[in-house]
Amino acid sequence: AQKITQTQPGMFVQEKEAVTLDCTYDTSDPSYGLFWYKQPSSGEMIFLIYQGSYDQQNATEGRYSLNFQKARKSANLVISASQLGDSAMYFCAMREGLGFGNEKLTFGTGTRLTIIP
Amino acid sequence: NAGVTQTPKFQVLKTGQSMTLQCAQDMNHEYMSWYRQDPGMGLRLIHYSVGAGITDQGEVPNGYNVSRSTTEDFPLRLLSAAPSQTSVYFCASSSITTEPSYEQYFGPGTRLTVT
Repeated sequence: AQKITQTQPGMFVQEKEAVTLDCTYDTSDPSYGLFWYKQPSSGEMIFLIYQGSYDQQNATEGRYSLNFQKARKSANLVISASQLGDSAMYFCAMREGLGFGNEKLTFGTGTRLTIIP
Repeated sequence: NAGVTQTPKFQVLKTGQSMTLQCAQDMNHEYMSWYRQDPGMGLRLIHYSVGAGITDQGEVPNGYNVSRSTTEDFPLRLLSAAPSQTSVYFCASSSITTEPSYEQYFGPGTRLTVT
């Protein structure tokens, strides 16, 4: 089974609208971390946001928030007030275990987001 | 503070040639890793290291070797290049002891083509 599933290969969103990128995960480890990375057309990987499995509140970083629904094993990225510069590939990733030696990340296949002016 | 650097940025190899992709970080991170990115497949872990002298295999290690003689450097060696190794390679590092984000810092990538 896929550990990280991103079901939206591509999305088109009007500028200034909010957008939700879906991510579901599969793990039996009670300790895990979930990440979102942005990859613009230039190719670099940019860290956006992190959510730990024991975190009580949803993570937020500026216009980015992570809608963490533990029982449903989903960790959707919400971008508020989208901008043209948000056009990029977005990857959800997970590490299983939060201790020493558990730093490996498993990535989803990504969602290509295009913001329409 | 340069972060994670990778050289070269682009490389073309012929089948059977060997080469080393270089990765260095100046953040004193214990953890370093190599991923490859292929179209439609996200990033897949090749090898990783939790400190100097300690390396281990990831999801797709075949055809690649690594060593970690210093904290700063983590080179990836292709022993006998094959067209299936055409990919974009990313090196990443993180601090094992720094919380709370556990963020991994990625290098700019190396685009490798094997003909």
